[in-house]
Amino acid sequence: EAGVTQSPTHLIKTRGQQATLRCSPISGHTSVYWYQQALGLGLQFLLWYDEGEERNRGNFPPRFSGRQFPNYSSELNVNALELEDSALYLCASSLGLDPSSTDTQYFGPGTRLTVL
Amino acid sequence: EDQVTQSPEALRLQEGESSSLNCSYTVSGLRGLFWYRQDPGKGPEFLFTLYSAGEEKEKERLKATLTKKESFLHITAPKPEDSATYLCAVQAADSWGKLQFGAGTQVVVTP
Repeated sequence: EAGVTQSPTHLIKTRGQQATLRCSPISGHTSVYWYQQALGLGLQFLLWYDEGEERNRGNFPPRFSGRQFPNYSSELNVNALELEDSALYLCASSLGLDPSSTDTQYFGPGTRLTVL
Repeated sequence: EDQVTQSPEALRLQEGESSSLNCSYTVSGLRGLFWYRQDPGKGPEFLFTLYSAGEEKEKERLKATLTKKESFLHITAPKPEDSATYLCAVQAADSWGKLQFGAGTQVVVTP
């Protein structure tokens, strides 16, 4: 069974540009999560999508946004890039919205974003 | 505010030398506590989910336990391939979907 996939593997942008990162969840999973792992800061929660809707958002500015498509894949967009946005961006997926359960999140390999 | 603290920050072990990693947490209602391992430049790999105090789970040389305030990851007779950063994360009852991660413990196992 294929795991979570992310593209591109590496992305180099300059300050002020926009970046688009993509994620395909494990087959059968409807929830997609995005995390940022910057050097020295650990994993920080960015966004959670399920069934095409944004369900929860971390403490990040509005220039971090995303969407989930009908096939459950997801896109993370970062506008007006700043140097401190350089990080490993990780996508995770889980089975989906169920108030009675705590879903295990399975992570992809990440996209390394470098802002020059 | 929810907090997850892992100790030690780094651990160097000889092959076969057992040890424990600690994850202490402060959260308003625990939905679940998760352990992951992460190799450099890669995504975290899921190890265990624990839901309630007293619960234990095992996988090969790893055993995770949970109390009301902390979790331990015991590594028994480690091998060099167990070298990785081990991450602990909690999901709080009032922050659905969000995992709050600790900073991790970097483990190096030498032959």
